[in-house]
Amino acid sequence: SQKIEQNSEALNIQEGKTATLTCNYTNYSPAYLQWYRQDPGRGPVFLLLIRENEKEKRKERLKVTFDTTLKQSLFHITASQPADSATYLCALVPGGYNKLIFGAGTRLAVHP
Amino acid sequence: DAGVIQSPRHEVTEMGQEVTLRCKPISGHNSLFWYRQTMMRGLELLIYFNNNVPIDDSGMPEDRFSAKMPNASFSTLKIQPSEPRDSAVYFCASSLSGTIGEKLFFGSGTQLSVL
Repeated sequence: SQKIEQNSEALNIQEGKTATLTCNYTNYSPAYLQWYRQDPGRGPVFLLLIRENEKEKRKERLKVTFDTTLKQSLFHITASQPADSATYLCALVPGGYNKLIFGAGTRLAVHP
Repeated sequence: DAGVIQSPRHEVTEMGQEVTLRCKPISGHNSLFWYRQTMMRGLELLIYFNNNVPIDDSGMPEDRFSAKMPNASFSTLKIQPSEPRDSAVYFCASSLSGTIGEKLFFGSGTQLSVL
């Protein structure tokens, strides 16, 4: 069956460290993978998109990698801050229309 | 830019009642999506419109759920009759053209509680 898996346990890190979140998928061959941030009581907010022919994408302190062989994307936040605390969702487009399928998300807590 | 606007923010109703959730997409956006979020199942796509036409409603759980988009600036998701298991946060999202891989803009959601 098709699955998108993200760590269900919260990730707790110290301010200033690099946070690394994982998104694994099975039985999909996505052309695109996206990452969103969701704060409590709010809708998800788009952060980054990476295409299947791109290995890595960066935006300020954020970096995303996409390994289509491993069927995995890694999301990094460098020099993390308490304001980065949120749930991070990966999403992919399985093909055809722009029908985004989301993982369950990983909650990140950055402690001062 | 006002963003995607959903109403109401919170809805509490009794089992068997009709519930209507409303969404105004970002002006100029041609694609609209309804998602449902629960702790158990995460974010699930219910239905997707492009240029006001339903493209994929395979995520609509059952006939009790219906969605309409009468014009480019308004969509409704209706549940009739509602059941306690429908309790969730319902999100509406829009995107500019519906191009594959395009980012979505989400509203703040409607928290639905069916007692």
